[in-house]
Order: sequence, then C-alpha cells, then structure tokens
Amino acid sequence: DTAVSQTPKYLVTQMGNDKSIKCEQNLGHDTMYWYKQDSKKFLKIMFSYNNKELIINETVPNRFSPKSPDKAHLNLHINSLELGDSAVYFCASSQDRGVNQPQHFGDGTRLSIL
Amino acid sequence: AQSVAQPEDQVNVAEGNPLTVKCTYSVSGNPYLFWYVQYPNRGLQFLLKYITGDNLVKGSYGFEAEFNKSQTSFHLKKPSALVSDSALYFCAVSAWPGGYQKVTFGTGTKLQVIP
Repeated sequence: DTAVSQTPKYLVTQMGNDKSIKCEQNLGHDTMYWYKQDSKKFLKIMFSYNNKELIINETVPNRFSPKSPDKAHLNLHINSLELGDSAVYFCASSQDRGVNQPQHFGDGTRLSIL
Repeated sequence: AQSVAQPEDQVNVAEGNPLTVKCTYSVSGNPYLFWYVQYPNRGLQFLLKYITGDNLVKGSYGFEAEFNKSQTSFHLKKPSALVSDSALYFCAVSAWPGGYQKVTFGTGTKLQVIP
C-alpha cells in the first residue's frame, strides 16, 4: 500500500495553462505539506496544512493555491504556469504538529513547462 | 531562524569503507535533527532522527548519526558502504517557531559508492 500518493507523476504543459496536482495519504496523519525541488535538488517548503487548516504559507506566488478537502488530501492548483515553475513537487505528511515526527514523502510530480 | 549546512555536494567512498556525510545546524532551543535519503525518481525516505538522549542514533539500513552539541553537528555514518547506498542524502532540522512544526532541509549531499 502506497502511504503518500501523488497524481499525476508527470505533467507536461504549456506556459499560461492551469494545472492541479493531487495528494492523498493513508497513514492517518494530521499534517500535510507541499515542497518544491528544483533542478539543483534544493528542497523548499511551500505550504503546510494541519487538519485542513493552513499553518505554513511560505513566500510563494499567489498563482499557487493549496486546498485540503479533508486531512487525508492536499491538492495544489497552479494558475498561469510559468517556465520557472518547472520542478518536482513533493507532497509529504507527518503525525500531529510535533517537531519530533518524521515526514513521509510521495514520489513526486515532475512538472515541465514548454 | 533555523538553518542546516551540508558542506559537501558530493562524497565518494569505496565499497566496504566507512562513510561520513557531514551536517551542521543552527536553531534556537533544542534541536530535533533528521536524516533522509532520496533515490532517483523517488521521494525522500526517513533514515533516523535525534530528539534527546544518546548522542549516537541508529537508523535504517545500518546508518547511524552522531549528535555533537558543542560543534552543532549531526554527521551521518556507516561502518561499511554498499554500492546500493549511492543516493542523495538530506539533513534536516525541526523547530517549533509558533505552534507548528517547521522543518528546514539542507542542500543535499550526493553519495557515490565506488565498487
């Protein structure tokens, strides 16, 4: 059973389009995250939700909008895609808000903007 | 503000030799430290963590890490490297800036184990 699953795995689209990435976790965790990993493999937190409540919102263009319909799902919608949005986007989850809890990652969505 | 430094972009080690991947951190208060591994086209996988207690922490796949408070370091080690250990390794520090967990990742170190 996949613990944290993201769809789609690959996303190739043109500049200016709008796209969504979905994430689901079956671990019973309360907290979910979106990360962006660039071509140099740097990992940057974008958003975090705890029980459907937004708790971390880093400096991210407002073209990116997360939505959490329930604590097992966290989706990411991106409007007006730009070339610089090309990256791998990872969803993750962890237990509670505890600082001592490891995060569990999905295998990523590879977004390529043409 | 919290930060993590991984001073080496890449570490090369011969199979069977001991390996060390370095990490130093900066955080207010007690540090909570993690190591993750990333294989190609996969997400990060948790290896081990330090919360409190013994300075030597043991984790998955024979890895261990040594917490050194005076040097603010948390180096990842393994006594005998395997070719299958070749991957990207991330150190992370966690803190509690305002009622939620915030994790900061290092820039990653690519480990290459040479047969």
